[in-house]
Amino acid sequence: KQEVTQIPAALSVPEGENLVLNCSFTDSAIYNLQWFRQDPGKGLTSLLLIQSSQREQTSGRLNASLDKSSGRSTLYIAASQPGDSATYLCAVLPDSGGYNKLIFGAGTRLAVHP
Amino acid sequence: EPEVTQTPSHQVTQMGQEVILRCVPISNHLYFYWYRQILGQKVEFLVSFYNNEISEKSEIFDDQFSVERPDGSNFTLKIRSTKLEDSAMYFCASKERGLTGELFFGEGSRLTVL
Repeated sequence: KQEVTQIPAALSVPEGENLVLNCSFTDSAIYNLQWFRQDPGKGLTSLLLIQSSQREQTSGRLNASLDKSSGRSTLYIAASQPGDSATYLCAVLPDSGGYNKLIFGAGTRLAVHP
Repeated sequence: EPEVTQTPSHQVTQMGQEVILRCVPISNHLYFYWYRQILGQKVEFLVSFYNNEISEKSEIFDDQFSVERPDGSNFTLKIRSTKLEDSAMYFCASKERGLTGELFFGEGSRLTVL
C-alpha cells in the first residue's frame, strides 16, 4: 500500500532563506507527483506537477525534483518570503489501479518570519 | 484564470440530514473528483467521475454517498444521512486529461454535522 511521508512536519525560517521540503513514498510505481500549497482553511493550490519520466520542474522561485527509483521528491523554495507561509503537500498518482486516486502526505507547515 | 468553484463554503447540519455539496469544475475538464480532509488529517480520495459514471471510489464512499453531474457544468456530492464523522472539508477537483493532467482543486466546503 502506497504511503507518502513528508519531513519535516513543521519549519520556521527567517525571510530570505533557501529551503528544502522533503517527500518520500514507499512504492516507486507512480505515474506522477504533484506539489500543492494549502493556506489555513482554504483549498489546495497546485504548484508543480512532475511526470514519472521527468527529473524536475521549475516555476519561479520553486523547483521540484523527483527521484522515482529511491521514492523521493524535494521542493526547493528560493529566497523565502513571508507570503510563502502555508502548508505544502505532496501527492503521488500510483501507476496501478484506476489512475484516479492521488495519495497525499500530511504536509509540511512552513512559517517564514520577517 | 479558470478555477473550480464550490458552494456552500460552510454548511452546518443535524445528524441524519441530507446534504448536497455543489461544484462547478473548470469548463474544458473531463475528469472530476471529490476528496475530503478531516481536521488535522491527510487529504483523502472519495470518488472519481468520468464520462458520466463513477470510475473509482474509496472505501469511505459507501451507499450514503452519491455523485451526479446533472447538467454540463455542475458536479454534486450528496450525503444521504449525515453522521458526526462526516464532518470535514470536502474538496472538488478536476483535470483535463486522465493520466498526465494536473489536478485543480476548489476552495472546499466545510461540513459540520451536529
